[in-house]
Amino acid sequence: GAVVSQHPSWVICKSGTSVKIECRSLDFQATTMFWYRQFPKQSLMLMATSNEGSKATYEQGVEKDKFLINHASLTLSTLTVTSAHPEDSSFYICSARRAGTLAKNIQYFGAGTRLSVL
Amino acid sequence: GENVGLHLPTLSVQEGDNSIINCAYSNSASDYFIWYKQESGKGPQFIIDIRSNMDKRQGQRVTVLLNKTVKHLSLQIAATQPGDSAVYFCAESFGGSNYKLTFGKGTLLTVNP
Repeated sequence: GAVVSQHPSWVICKSGTSVKIECRSLDFQATTMFWYRQFPKQSLMLMATSNEGSKATYEQGVEKDKFLINHASLTLSTLTVTSAHPEDSSFYICSARRAGTLAKNIQYFGAGTRLSVL
Repeated sequence: GENVGLHLPTLSVQEGDNSIINCAYSNSASDYFIWYKQESGKGPQFIIDIRSNMDKRQGQRVTVLLNKTVKHLSLQIAATQPGDSAVYFCAESFGGSNYKLTFGKGTLLTVNP
């Protein structure tokens, strides 16, 4: 168990458009999901923490109006990159944390979404 | 000058050898640690975790060692296989942060057949 599905895996868009990325926990409920950004050959940087039914908590320096996060259910969180620009091109990865188990602090990751903004 | 952010520490080993990947963590309040494996173009995959009340934990072919005195974590992989080639990240967290993970820089492990 503990499968996290992320969609799409790769998206190319024009500058100024918005892109939505979905993150689903397929076989468990996730009260908390996380969104990360990763540049080539670098580590994962946490962008925001998404809690079901409440507003996301953004890390310092992350524009909440630029990166809209919605966590409408215990199995789905979405990240929308609004008015994307070439500097937003990156690898975006979501993770989900199980609810109600002893292993609740483990984050399970999706496969990532590579965003290329032209 | 050199952009050190673009150069991951690397470890190259022969197939069948044991590998040791090291990680220095920063927060003395961290009480929970995880090792992840990330293959190219994929998301991180959970390997093993350890709590701060332990100094060693073993899994299948992997062992994690924790030295809180010097804030050091290591991952030992026994009988390394080509399929182990990947970037390995350690991550630290603590209860006061609601267990958000802070990732280390990562180490690129290359296993030569």
